[in-house]
Amino acid sequence: GDQVEQSPSALSLHEGTGSALRCNFTTTMRAVQWFQQNSRGSLINLFYLASGTKENGRLKSTFNSKESYSTLHIRDAQLEDSGTYFCAATGYQNFYFGKGTSLTVIP
Amino acid sequence: DTTVKQNPRYKLARVGKPVNLICSQTMNHDTMYWYQKKPNQAPKLLLFYYDKILNREADTFEKFQSSRPNNSFCSLYIGSAGLEYSAMYLCASSGTSAETLYFGSGTRLTVL
Repeated sequence: GDQVEQSPSALSLHEGTGSALRCNFTTTMRAVQWFQQNSRGSLINLFYLASGTKENGRLKSTFNSKESYSTLHIRDAQLEDSGTYFCAATGYQNFYFGKGTSLTVIP
Repeated sequence: DTTVKQNPRYKLARVGKPVNLICSQTMNHDTMYWYQKKPNQAPKLLLFYYDKILNREADTFEKFQSSRPNNSFCSLYIGSAGLEYSAMYLCASSGTSAETLYFGSGTRLTVL
């Protein structure tokens, strides 16, 4: 089965609002990374966390290894935030990806 | 410079013909990865090099080859392309196994 379960699979937000994306892990992971897929299909690094919380502008991410989950919070959503977001988690060498959350920001 | 470079950006191939994709990084990273990305799917790990040691995923073992002649350079080779190989191929590197992944801009392969 999948080692990384990402939810929701799709999300619509009105401009200016916020929400959280979540990844649950079925095995112990020692780090997580969040990516935004750009219009061309490449993956842009948002956060890498081995523990705790990181914040960058309107984005904040938390990783709880003990409880096996990570979240990505988006506040004050803007139209340019629309796209697909992926989490990837690692236990040792490989990164295991979630299936992504497709975010649509509505004017 | 945290850049991973991939060439070419777009690649057209005929069914049954070989394909060679190229990736380079100048960050002296010891691990380089190749992922396959299809629309509405998670990136799928194909293989990775840790230093000179190649690790290939079991379900793609016979479909993809790779070489890493030096620390900076890694290629992905398909011996005989099939229609199902059409996808975005993403190269990534990390400084120590499973530290921050840096992705290249990808090569979009279309097999006709």
